[in-house]
Amino acid sequence: RKEVEQDPGPFNVPEGATVAFNCTYSNSASQSFFWYRQDCRKEPKLLMSVYSSGNEDGRFTAQLNRASQYISLLIRDSKLSDSATYLCVARDNYGQNFVFGPGTRLSVLP
Amino acid sequence: DGGITQSPKYLFRKEGQNVTLSCEQNLNHDAMYWYRQDPGQGLRLIYYSQIVNDFQKGDIAEGYSVSREKKESFPLTVTSAQKNPTAFYLCASSSMTAGNGYTFGSGTRLTVV
Repeated sequence: RKEVEQDPGPFNVPEGATVAFNCTYSNSASQSFFWYRQDCRKEPKLLMSVYSSGNEDGRFTAQLNRASQYISLLIRDSKLSDSATYLCVARDNYGQNFVFGPGTRLSVLP
Repeated sequence: DGGITQSPKYLFRKEGQNVTLSCEQNLNHDAMYWYRQDPGQGLRLIYYSQIVNDFQKGDIAEGYSVSREKKESFPLTVTSAQKNPTAFYLCASSSMTAGNGYTFGSGTRLTVV
């Protein structure tokens, strides 16, 4: 079974800090990658897709390293509202199933 | 607005009962999925369907059943054979295009009483 691994945390960081999450995947055939955010007792919501060239959306930057089968998410200038669980997801090259990592919990402290 | 709707939001089941969770989407997505999430745990795949009248077992299909009679609908039945059904159930849909992510419903929280 394909696997996606993440450090479960929790990451406790002060407001304004920069925090980085890492994720590794074992299936080299995985083609698409995503970061989802899940708030407590809510459904996951798509935060951003991850492209080989790297992509940025405001304070969030995602990187993909296919050679190392490694994905990262960087959050700059952390806000209290960033507190959530961040899920790394890989999708296979036939566009079929997604494999979710277990999630990394982030708590941003005042 | 396009989206995916799950109902009910909360559901209570007595021991030995079957219950059915509804999932409807109007996104014209081909694929639909059911996941289970336990407190502090990741998502586990129960069943998925990539086309009408066809579905496949996921990692934890025992004690569950599904149907896919319409593209828009993918109901999940939690049967009495599921010994520990208390959990948060999430339905999702996606297009078959590899670059697209999932859209999730808001979930159903099932409790056995």
